Amino acid sequence: GAGVSQSPRYKVAKRGQDVALRCDPISGHVSLFWYQQALGQGPEFLTYFQNEAQLDKSGLPSDRFFAERPEGSVSTLKIQRTQQEDSAVYLCASSLPFSSGGKSRYEQYFGPGTRLTVT
Amino acid sequence: AQSVTQLDSHVSVSEGTPVLLRCNYSSSYSPSLFWYVQHPNKGLQLLLKYTSAATLVKGINGFEAEFKKSETSFHLTKPSAHMSDAAEYFCVVLSGGYNKLIFGAGTRLAVHP
Repeated sequence: GAGVSQSPRYKVAKRGQDVALRCDPISGHVSLFWYQQALGQGPEFLTYFQNEAQLDKSGLPSDRFFAERPEGSVSTLKIQRTQQEDSAVYLCASSLPFSSGGKSRYEQYFGPGTRLTVT
Repeated sequence: AQSVTQLDSHVSVSEGTPVLLRCNYSSSYSPSLFWYVQHPNKGLQLLLKYTSAATLVKGINGFEAEFKKSETSFHLTKPSAHMSDAAEYFCVVLSGGYNKLIFGAGTRLAVHP
C-alpha cells in the first residue's frame, strides 16, 4: 500500500516568507508526528497528533511554528516569517493506533521529508 | 528522561567484513529501542526494534542488535557488509507518554570495495 507522502519535496523560501508543508499519512494511522532534521543531525521531535487532536507540541521551537490536522488525516506544518535557522528537513511519520499483525503501535513510518532552505 | 548516544559519528569498513555500530542508552525504565537507516534522499526505514522480548533482535538485511541492560547498550551488527549498506544509521529510544522517538546523532557507515 501507499506509504507516508510529503509535499513539496523541496522548498526554497526567502527570509520572512511563510511556508506550508503537507503530510499525507498512511490510511488508518491515528498517530502522526512531525520531526525536524538539521544538517548532520538526528531528527528532533516537533509535535504529535492523535486523530485531529494535537496532544504534544513541546518540540515546536517558537510560536512561528504551527501544525494542524483538522480532519484527522492530512496534516500541515506552517512556519511563519521563516528564518535561516529554520533550514532543515521536515519529516512526517505515522503509526497504527494499536499493535496488529506483528506490527507494533510504536513503529513509526516515515515520509521522504521536505527539505526547506531559507535564503 | 530517555536518551541515546551513538559512540561513533563515522564508521568505515571493507565489503565482506563485519559491521559494528555502537549505541548506549539512558532510561529510567525498561526502554523500547530501535535502529533506523537513512539512505541519501530516502525516508527513514526501520531496521529492527527491541520491546522487552528477546534480547537478541534480528532485523532486515541481515542486521541484528543485542540489548544489554548491564552495559546499557544496544549495538547494531552485521556479519558481512555489502556496498548497499552505506547509509546513515540512527539509534532511537521511545519516549514515554505519546511515544515520540528520541534519535541519536547518527553514524555514517561507509563501505569500501
